[in-house]
Amino acid sequence: SQELEQSPQSLIVQEGKNLTINCTSSKTLYGLYWYKQKYGEGLIFLMMLQKGGEEKSHEKITAKLDEKKQQSSLHITASQPSHAGIYLCGAVIHSGGSNYKLTFGKGTLLTVNP
Amino acid sequence: ETGVTQSPTHLIKTRGQQVTLRCSSQSGHNTVSWYQQALGQGPQFIFQYYREEENGRGNFPPRFSGLQFPNYSSELNVNALELDDSALYLCASSLVGLGSGGETQYFGPGTRLLVL
Repeated sequence: SQELEQSPQSLIVQEGKNLTINCTSSKTLYGLYWYKQKYGEGLIFLMMLQKGGEEKSHEKITAKLDEKKQQSSLHITASQPSHAGIYLCGAVIHSGGSNYKLTFGKGTLLTVNP
Repeated sequence: ETGVTQSPTHLIKTRGQQVTLRCSSQSGHNTVSWYQQALGQGPQFIFQYYREEENGRGNFPPRFSGLQFPNYSSELNVNALELDDSALYLCASSLVGLGSGGETQYFGPGTRLLVL
């Protein structure tokens, strides 16, 4: 089963609308990352959250971490066509011994219609 | 621009062949991780190198191997290519290894591999 579940899988919104993407982990989180990816390209780092209750914002994007629920949400206010892309959450998970791995959800495809 | 570069950008191979992908990390970063991203999926962790040694590995067979050089650049080698190896291969560099705290990974643009 997927260690990180993202919802929704895809989202189509009208320009100017707000939206939220959710990410839920089945394991203890040691750090939660949000990345954006244009189709077929590398990942662009958006934000990293480490502490329960932590909230970070960059321009019109806000991310929150609920450590107890092992969940994070990404909220975009007044969406623009430039926000379109694939949003991926990634989590640092203990993989045994002294090893950790960064595991990703499947991503949320966001389309913003002008 | 993250400062992480990968080469080549695209590659076509046939089943059974071997391939080497290259990655130059961001200046000052001593940790490199490799990921495989199949179409419509999130990146899957292959392995991580810290100061020239492998210090973490995902669920990939031994025919996936890597190297990290003294300048912290890295190679991913895949032997006996299979059709399912067709994917976008991403490398990411970070200042410290995973689990250390604050280890944000910065990704390169990826190499798209097609196996026929």
